Amino acid sequence: DQQVKQNSPSLSVQEGRISILNCDYTNSMFDYFLWYKKYPAEGPTFLISISSIKDKNEDGRFTVFLNKSAKHLSLHIVPSQPGDSAVYFCAATGSGTYKYIFGTGTRLKVLA
Amino acid sequence: EPEVTQTPSHQVTQMGQEVILRCVPISNHLYFYWYRQILGQKVEFLVSFYNNEISEKSEIFDDQFSVERPDGSNFTLKIRSTKLEDSAMYFCASSEALRTRASTYGYTFGSGTRLTVV
Repeated sequence: DQQVKQNSPSLSVQEGRISILNCDYTNSMFDYFLWYKKYPAEGPTFLISISSIKDKNEDGRFTVFLNKSAKHLSLHIVPSQPGDSAVYFCAATGSGTYKYIFGTGTRLKVLA
Repeated sequence: EPEVTQTPSHQVTQMGQEVILRCVPISNHLYFYWYRQILGQKVEFLVSFYNNEISEKSEIFDDQFSVERPDGSNFTLKIRSTKLEDSAMYFCASSEALRTRASTYGYTFGSGTRLTVV
């Protein structure tokens, strides 16, 4: 049941450059999407979210883009910093449910 | 910054034994959740809890699992008779409210309890 997919298990980026993490979903009932960051031995930390009524949401260095017709969202981090190195999960949810469906994660490594 | 606290950080138990994983959600939060992550796999929803009752549960959350908010501050997950396949990181989370269409809301997760069933 892979309703939320992150097809890139890992990504390496030079410090200062843009990191782009991608996520695809299959369930058209999803209407709210989130990105979480996770360091080893810690719980996921909420980064940024987007509602389906928007196609872009920005918070500092982090921007999430949503393409509903393609059922695709992406997280842009610019400029990337070594402290951004972590596993990034996208998650989705819809009205009428309390649960988030998580993707499998993308491990981002920002090289100094 | 308010935190969700989970104890213990690591629990080793024998197959067939009962375990209780403990969580202290953020004090003004009303919604509580348990998720788990089997090693190398994705984070999976187990159960949500609101107003002293389960509001939603997944197919993973069978009769061996139960949740309780015994004293208004703790939120516990009990596994009655553990199996090897219950070995995972268990994350507790809480939220002040359900999200709205325009909100920027997300859960706050705890650091997790690593459960190892031997």
